Amino acid sequence: KNEVEQSPQNLTAQEGEFITINCSYSVGISALHWLQQHPGGGIVSLFMLSSGKKKHGRLIATINIQEKHSSLHITASHPRDSAVYICAVSEETSGSRLTFGEGTQLTVNP
Amino acid sequence: NAGVTQTPKFRILKIGQSMTLQCTQDMNHNYMYWYRQDPGMGLKLIYYSVGAGITDKGEVPNGYNVSRSTTEDFPLRLELAAPSQTSVYFCASSGPTQGVLDISETEAFFGQGTRLTVV
Repeated sequence: KNEVEQSPQNLTAQEGEFITINCSYSVGISALHWLQQHPGGGIVSLFMLSSGKKKHGRLIATINIQEKHSSLHITASHPRDSAVYICAVSEETSGSRLTFGEGTQLTVNP
Repeated sequence: NAGVTQTPKFRILKIGQSMTLQCTQDMNHNYMYWYRQDPGMGLKLIYYSVGAGITDKGEVPNGYNVSRSTTEDFPLRLELAAPSQTSVYFCASSGPTQGVLDISETEAFFGQGTRLTVV
């Protein structure tokens, strides 16, 4: 079992739909990161959070430390949101080394 | 700030050749990482460093070497290229920043990636 599990692996949505991507982890963490990888490969950081909730535009990230679970929400999805979304955790016991989930491929159709 | 600069963007190697992938960050981050991403797969950690002079193996270190002589630079060396090393390589860095007493985390920053093909 991977230390970081994401679901779903693939997600197809229609433009305008509300999207949720889930991340569960099994290790103690100091922070959780949500990353976005567009076709062509570049990876950018969307959020880093260790508690509660963060919002940036149409993106919302939440984390429940007790349940070891985080969600990434996209409101009013748009085709330009199509990308791979990656959850990563900074592990407490390994000096904040990042451990990645396998990613969720999101496709938003017009 | 330039962030994380990774070179080259593309490279084709013949089996047995060697090369160095360069990675430089200008954010004074302590942590630096090298990952590889095979087609359709997630990121796998090759090596990482928690500061100058310190390196550690990740999940898939075989066939690679690294060094961290300065905070800024973290080159990845392939000594004898093999077809199994065909992949996209990413360098990344994250905080805490060198010399800061507050050890809070920072976001992870990634280079643009190197697409390596070994033939």
